[in-house]
Amino acid sequence: DAKTTQPNSMESNEEEPVHLPCNHSTISGTDYIHWYRQLPSQGPEYVIHGLTSNVNNRMASLAIAEDRKSSTLILHRATLRDAAVYYCILPNRDDKIIFGKGTRLHILP
Amino acid sequence: GAGVSQTPSNKVTEKGKYVELRCDPISGHTALYWYRQSLGQGPEFLIYFQGTGAADDSGLPNDRFFAVRPEGSVSTLKIQRTERGDSAVYLCASSFQSRGARTDTQYFGPGTRLTVL
Repeated sequence: DAKTTQPNSMESNEEEPVHLPCNHSTISGTDYIHWYRQLPSQGPEYVIHGLTSNVNNRMASLAIAEDRKSSTLILHRATLRDAAVYYCILPNRDDKIIFGKGTRLHILP
Repeated sequence: GAGVSQTPSNKVTEKGKYVELRCDPISGHTALYWYRQSLGQGPEFLIYFQGTGAADDSGLPNDRFFAVRPEGSVSTLKIQRTERGDSAVYLCASSFQSRGARTDTQYFGPGTRLTVL
């Protein structure tokens, strides 16, 4: 299964954009890139996913590098409620998710 | 609509006892997953069901752990002879699963916090 690498933690100011990077240099052509996040004391929740093209939804945007070896989750205007651990994941054929440690995002008021 | 629910939300037990943790997936979801999460770590995969059968149980740490999903809906994770190292949050997730599509979203429950004294 392809692995991902993320920074352990990041900080951002409230109401500013946040760019969360993820490296996945061993990604295969059929691997989708998924992002989940886990708010304190809750189960993980889906954020966004994509294959090749950049993706937008109401929660975030996903920018995928042309060679697909990296991607960036973009929160356009961070709020205190966005403080969470963000996981970048490449599910396998059975949609099995192998979680790493993710990036702990701190939002400063 | 109703999300994934897990009961109990908290379970405290003594070393050596048997525990059962229950997961009610979203109605119509054929895939069900169990994970275990220790403090400061990401969730760790335990087992995955497709319908009633366990399609992948490679994450179960040993034979004290067992899970069932007899009617393809509710699942129970069973832990025998609990040890202090079993203390963790046990998470359940379900998905509709177009098998092999790699695009399915997993919906997670709030978890059961198990404490073994």
